[in-house]
Amino acid sequence: QVQLVQSGAEVKKPGASVKVSCKASGYTFTNYAIHWVRQAPGQSLECMGWINGGDGITRYSQKFQGRVTITQDRSATTAYMELNSLRSEDTAVYYCARDWMTSGFDYWGQGTQVTVSS
Amino acid sequence: QSVLTQPPSASGTPGQGVTISCSGSSSNIGGDYVYWYQQLPGAAPKLLIYRDNQRPSGVPDRFSGSKSGTSASLAISGLRSEDEADYYCQAWDGSLSGWVFGGGTKVTVL
Repeated sequence: QVQLVQSGAEVKKPGASVKVSCKASGYTFTNYAIHWVRQAPGQSLECMGWINGGDGITRYSQKFQGRVTITQDRSATTAYMELNSLRSEDTAVYYCARDWMTSGFDYWGQGTQVTVSS
Repeated sequence: QSVLTQPPSASGTPGQGVTISCSGSSSNIGGDYVYWYQQLPGAAPKLLIYRDNQRPSGVPDRFSGSKSGTSASLAISGLRSEDEADYYCQAWDGSLSGWVFGGGTKVTVL
C-alpha cells in the first residue's frame, strides 16, 4: 500500500533551518511528484513547492522562493524539504503529498509539526 | 487572504444535503481543474474530488463536485456525523504558477 512517512516534530530557534523528510513506499517513486504543503495553526493549506520524482526538477511557490529547498534521494525513495531563516510565522504542520498529472494530491504524509520559538 | 474564496462554515442535520462553494478567477478555476479535500480534526487532508467531478476509489458517491465558469461546488448528500470536517478546494493558478487553496469551510452536522 502507498505510504508517505514523515520525520518527527522539530523545535527550532528563529534564524535556524529545518529539514523534514518524507519516505515513500508502495509505488514507483519516479512516476510521481512530491509536493510540500504547510498549515499554520487554525489556517488553510499553503503549497510551498514540489519535486518531480523522475527528473528531480523542482518548482517553488513565489512566497518561499529563496528560502526553501526541496530535494530527493531516489535510491532511498525519500523527499526532503529544507526551510531556512525560520521565523515564528513558520510554526506549522508540514505535509508531503503525492501527485501525478491531474489526479490530485492523492496520498499525504502524516504531517510534521515544526515549532519556531526563542 | 486565500486566492480561492470559500464560506467559513456550513451546516446541516443528518440526512440533509449541504453545498460548499469555491470562487476563483479565470487564472485558476476558470482555466484548470478543481480539486476538493476533506480534513478531519487532527488528520492530514484526504482527496475527495479530482478533475472537477471525479471521485477516487473509496470515496462515497454522496460527495460530488461541479464547476461553472470561475466557481466550483462540492455537494454532500445524506449528511452523516462523520462528515464533520474542514473542506478545502484547490486549483492550479496560471498567473501565480502555483497551486492555490481556498480558505476552507468547516462543516458541522447539527
